[in-house]
Amino acid sequence: DTAVSQTPKYLVTQMGNDKSIKCEQNLGHDTMYWYKQDSKKFLKIMFSYNNKELIINETVPNRFSPKSPDKAHLNLHINSLELGDSAVYFCASSQWADTQYFGPGTRLTVL
Amino acid sequence: SQQGEEDPQALSIQEGENATMNCSYKTSINNLQWYRQNSGRGLVHLILIRSNEREKHSGRLRVTLDTSKKSSSLLITASRAADTASYFCATDGTSGSRLTFGEGTQLTVNP
Repeated sequence: DTAVSQTPKYLVTQMGNDKSIKCEQNLGHDTMYWYKQDSKKFLKIMFSYNNKELIINETVPNRFSPKSPDKAHLNLHINSLELGDSAVYFCASSQWADTQYFGPGTRLTVL
Repeated sequence: SQQGEEDPQALSIQEGENATMNCSYKTSINNLQWYRQNSGRGLVHLILIRSNEREKHSGRLRVTLDTSKKSSSLLITASRAADTASYFCATDGTSGSRLTFGEGTQLTVNP
């Protein structure tokens, strides 16, 4: 039933490691997003893909690389993790500019 | 930047009272959306109001939009303890699907 799902829900890792977060949507949407929510709850868009094509790429370190194998999936790979990467990462999907539906979030803690 | 600002940052009321949250933004928009986030959870879409609409209702929610003042308000009537959450407004520009979120209002409804 889940519309937008993310795995894992929690991720605790050491500085310098490489990790991935996966996102899947079963809503048939053509656009998917990654957002970062910091400790003050401020939500900022990182990337957006439409039909597997990158359309939004905010000023994000190139250690972050999104990959969209198909319209239903958008994964986020992070290299050489830093303390400042600790945050909650949300995946979302929409039918182009319509309502965005969010996943439950992945809480990343970098030690 | 089109970052929205919400006001107040925090609001504490008693059950049964009405809660009003305001949002201001900076540039032209296609639509404005309100989301709710319960502690530790993902965002849930509440209501979308298009730039050519002035008011919209959904259950106990009433949203207004004043494009001349670049502001919106969310009214929750007859509040319940379960309404306790953070509320965010989000705007999209005229060029597509990018959503810019405000900083949120933390609403606490005391039983």
